[in-house]
Amino acid sequence: SQQGEEDPQALSIQEGENATMNCSYKTSINNLQWYRQNSGRGLVHLILIRSNEREKHSGRLRVTLDTSKKSSSLLITASRAADTASYFCATPLWGAGGTSYGKLTFGQGTILTVHP
Amino acid sequence: GAGVSQTPSNKVTEKGKYVELRCDPISGHTALYWYRQSLGQGPEFLIYFQGTGAADDSGLPNDRFFAVRPEGSVSTLKIQRTERGDSAVYLCASSLGTDLSGNTIYFGEGSWLTVV
Repeated sequence: SQQGEEDPQALSIQEGENATMNCSYKTSINNLQWYRQNSGRGLVHLILIRSNEREKHSGRLRVTLDTSKKSSSLLITASRAADTASYFCATPLWGAGGTSYGKLTFGQGTILTVHP
Repeated sequence: GAGVSQTPSNKVTEKGKYVELRCDPISGHTALYWYRQSLGQGPEFLIYFQGTGAADDSGLPNDRFFAVRPEGSVSTLKIQRTERGDSAVYLCASSLGTDLSGNTIYFGEGSWLTVV
């Protein structure tokens, strides 16, 4: 079963608008990661937010994490047609000592379409 | 190479046949992962290697699936007696280490397997 659940499942916006995608998860986490996937092929790591962080920025990306609600959001500001892709949140397995192991659990993703 | 390389990029095979999918990770990356992604779903973990050994193979669906990494670099995912339900994109990834709080996972473009 998927650890993360994204919503919305699909999002369609105009270029220049902001896009917000949400992710909920079930178990405790050490960190949460967001990935982008073009055309059902390889995934690209976008950003990682640790469990003791509430917000993180990278360029036009802003990620928030609310561990009390077990949720995260990804905001893409001033969207471009090239941002059209699927976006996934993922959480790694983690163990004693705060080490995150290599088994990522992905949500089902949000398909973002940005119209020129 | 500069990134994770997977071959073949597309494979069509008949039900019951044997298939091998190859992954060449980023040079120097000790951790290697295999994921499977069905249409409209997020990737699902299959197995990951630390060096030559399988550190976690809990995601392999049954004994028809097997993966090796004999020299700690290239890995091969082997599927015996393929079934139509095995049709999916098989994604390989690698990272410098397995602690995902400090190491980024890099994905290949995937091998699209179709069983007819």
